Amino acid sequence: GENVEQHPSTLSVQEGDSAVIKCTYSDSASNYFPWYKQELGKRPQLIIDIRSNVGEKKDQRIAVTLNKTAKHFSLHITETQPEDSAVYFCAASRNGGATNKLIFGTGTLLAVQP
Amino acid sequence: DAMVIQNPRYQVTQFGKPVTLSCSQTLNHNVMYWYQQKSSQAPKLLFHYYDKDFNNEADTPDNFQSRRPNTSFCFLDIRSPGLGDAAMYLCATSRRRQANTEAFFGQGTRLTVV
Repeated sequence: GENVEQHPSTLSVQEGDSAVIKCTYSDSASNYFPWYKQELGKRPQLIIDIRSNVGEKKDQRIAVTLNKTAKHFSLHITETQPEDSAVYFCAASRNGGATNKLIFGTGTLLAVQP
Repeated sequence: DAMVIQNPRYQVTQFGKPVTLSCSQTLNHNVMYWYQQKSSQAPKLLFHYYDKDFNNEADTPDNFQSRRPNTSFCFLDIRSPGLGDAAMYLCATSRRRQANTEAFFGQGTRLTVV
């Protein structure tokens, strides 16, 4: 089955700096890669996703890159703000039939220091 | 507006005493998932429903069962909770179509076993 590794487990940056979180996956058939942000005590919420037919996607300060050959994808947050502080999870899934099963990475605790 | 609602937010149960967690959705999604999230770990998929079709993960203990009486509701039954079952339990939904694979999470139920 799919296995997703995520690094680093914790990341501390100064406000305004960039943050990069990296994930690798094992199943070459995976074709959907979302990133979720989970604030303390709250539900995971999708912040950006990428499908295997593109290499990069941007949404304001957030971008995700995908390298299918190497089976890794990364989250990039620019101009970080204190409200970006949260746990970030990457995930991977393959669309088999009518459902997709998200397999999550172990999470990265991002702390943005004011 | 809450789209995936989990009740209760906090549940305390005694060791070995059956407990049921509930999830409801207003999105009319075909797929409903149950994840277990232990402290500082990634959400781990327990099982999911595609409509009424139940799909169990191979490593989900027999102690965990689920019911989905209709599209809107899904229940997680833990027959004999052990101390190791203390965790956050997250319910999520997604649409049937592969093009819409975002998973929407509830706020979770934190289960404590005493």
